[in-house]
Amino acid sequence: GAGVSQSPSNKVTEKGKDVELRCDPISGHTALYWYRQSLGQGLEFLIYFQGNSAPDKSGLPSDRFSAERTGGSVSTLTIQRTQQEDSAVYLCASSLGTSGRGPYEQYFGPGTRLTVT
Amino acid sequence: KNQVEQSPQSLIILEGKNCTLQCNYTVSPFSNLRWYKQDTGRGPVSLTIMTFSENTKSNGRYTATLDADTKQSSLHITASQLSDSASYICVVSLFRGSTLGRLYFGRGTQLTVWP
Repeated sequence: GAGVSQSPSNKVTEKGKDVELRCDPISGHTALYWYRQSLGQGLEFLIYFQGNSAPDKSGLPSDRFSAERTGGSVSTLTIQRTQQEDSAVYLCASSLGTSGRGPYEQYFGPGTRLTVT
Repeated sequence: KNQVEQSPQSLIILEGKNCTLQCNYTVSPFSNLRWYKQDTGRGPVSLTIMTFSENTKSNGRYTATLDADTKQSSLHITASQLSDSASYICVVSLFRGSTLGRLYFGRGTQLTVWP
């Protein structure tokens, strides 16, 4: 079946603009995760959803970052008033769940490369 | 402070040789440890997942070990192939009861396999 998809694949935006990144998880996966990977840095956890709720938002770097998930499926990560330090690859992953018999394997999308000029 | 440290930062080996990558962590309480392979420009792909009760897990030519007492893990790659060239990332999950805890990522080991 289809894997995790993300759009756009690349986004160039001017400093101060808002951007929305989209993630379509694998069908049936209840858990969805957002990560950020800056150049030369490791992956950074941002937020995860179990269904439509986000139990852990502690990874969001500032209040300019927000995410939502509707219908237990698609998620959007919104960055307001973008800054140059927001430039990174934003990765989304999904898994069957987060609780119970886990740990559940996470399947990653190809990422969105965000460049803030 | 919860951290994951990987070594070496980069490694070059000849095709057919074996290698071992290291991961040390201070994440506590610990839930599970994962090794991912990330090809350039692609998302990470899971290789192994181990809970605290597991000492070793294999996936083809990849074998991961875990010592939860010393908080160390290793990933051993046997008979390396050119396609093994990638970044290998160690990820440790914080324990939060029956639900997912926050994930902590190492910076990865960049492996290059030469013919």
